[in-house]
Amino acid sequence: AQSVSQHNHHVILSEAASLELGCNYSYGGTVNLFWYVQYPGQHLQLLLKYFSGDPLVKGIKGFEAEFIKSKFSFNLRKPSVQWSDTAEYFCAVPNQAGTALIFGKGTTLSVSS
Amino acid sequence: GAVVSQHPSWVICKSGTSVKIECRSLDFQATTMFWYRQFPKQSLMLMATSNEGSKATYEQGVEKDKFLINHASLTLSTLTVTSAHPEDSSFYICSAPLAGITDTQYFGPGTRLTVL
Repeated sequence: AQSVSQHNHHVILSEAASLELGCNYSYGGTVNLFWYVQYPGQHLQLLLKYFSGDPLVKGIKGFEAEFIKSKFSFNLRKPSVQWSDTAEYFCAVPNQAGTALIFGKGTTLSVSS
Repeated sequence: GAVVSQHPSWVICKSGTSVKIECRSLDFQATTMFWYRQFPKQSLMLMATSNEGSKATYEQGVEKDKFLINHASLTLSTLTVTSAHPEDSSFYICSAPLAGITDTQYFGPGTRLTVL
């Protein structure tokens, strides 16, 4: 069965530090990969997604992610975080039947100013 | 962008009562909607897939008689928590894909259910 794992449970950074959040998925054929973000008190919104093509995907707010097929990874990166990036980040993949999205456990990012 | 709304945003009820939560796609039609449950500091757990015009598909371990789902129209899905108990207290979130099921999901703001 398709699955996704996020290894970082809670990441604490200072402003301007670089960020990388890990996401690994289990193989399940065609891979669509997503990163969602949930800011405090707000609903989930899409950061970026990969369906095909260039494995380096750029999303909103300066975030990017790289699909590395050989490592089954889709890590999220940002060169310089801001206090406003404090949020919960979720990696997601479709289930094997393609009928729903499976979410990782999430990573809480806390950025201090 | 596409907007999904939920109502109510917060509901407090007594144990044993039933609570209905609405999920609406405001500017697009959704033949499929998803219902999730989120515990504090945890991920979203998919409960069921709501299908317009047919029965909902429930994930393993989710009681379909307890969590009744009705996809009444192309813009409305409802989740009714029947005979609610304190352990049902949680954050319930719905989502709808704009296009295919595995395309970008648009999420509602969530409904916080507190059962006393």
